[in-house]
Amino acid sequence: QVQLVESGGGLVKPGGSLRLSCAASGYTFSDYSMSWIRQAPGKGLEWVSHIGKSAVTEKYADPVKGRFTISRDNAKNSLFLQMDSLRDEDTAVYYCAKRTGLGTPYDSWGQGTLVTVSS
Amino acid sequence: EIVLTQSPGTLSLSPGERATLSCRASQSVSSRGLAWYQQKAGQAPRLLLYDASSRATGTPDRFSGSGSGTDFTLTITRLEPEDFAVYYCQQYGDAPQTFGQGTKLEI
Repeated sequence: QVQLVESGGGLVKPGGSLRLSCAASGYTFSDYSMSWIRQAPGKGLEWVSHIGKSAVTEKYADPVKGRFTISRDNAKNSLFLQMDSLRDEDTAVYYCAKRTGLGTPYDSWGQGTLVTVSS
Repeated sequence: EIVLTQSPGTLSLSPGERATLSCRASQSVSSRGLAWYQQKAGQAPRLLLYDASSRATGTPDRFSGSGSGTDFTLTITRLEPEDFAVYYCQQYGDAPQTFGQGTKLEI
C-alpha cells in the first residue's frame, strides 16, 4: 500500500535552514504530483508547496516564496523541501501528500515531521 | 484567494446521532474542486470525499457530501465512536488551494 514517510524535522534557530525529506513507496512515484502541507500547533492545515510529477511545475504559498524550495528525485522515490531563512511562524508539523495533479485532492498523506523554529 | 469558513467550530453530539458540517466559500467553487478530510488526534488527515460528493476509497457510506457554488455540507448519519475527530474542507479547483479552519466533532 501507499506509504509516505517524512524525516528531517527538528529544532532550528530563526534564520536557520532545514531540509525535509519524504520517502514514497507502494506506488509509481513518478506518476504523481506531490505537495508539502503544514499545520502549526493547534491550528489548521496550510498548503506550502507543490511539484509536478516531472518537476517541471513548482508552486509556492506566498508566506514561503523565496525561502523554501521543493524538489524531487524520481529515481529515489523521494520528495524534498529545502527551508531557508526560517521564522518563528514556520513552526509546524510538515506533511507530504500525493495527488494526481493540480486541481485534484490529496489521496495519501505521510505522518508528518515537526519543525520548531525557536531561539 | 478563496476563503473557506467552516461551521460550527465545535459540534457536540452522541454516537448514533446525525452530524451536519458546513463549509462556506468566499466565492464560487467548482463542485469538482471541493474535498473533505478527517483528522484524528495525533494523525495525518485522511481524504473522505472529493468532488463535493464522491467517497474516497474506504470511506463508509454513512459519510455523504453535497452542495455547490459557495455552500457545501458534510453529513454523517448514525455517528460511530471513531467518527469523533476534526473535519476540514478544501477547495482545489482554484489557485491557490485553500483549507477551511476545521470543525471539531466531539462527544
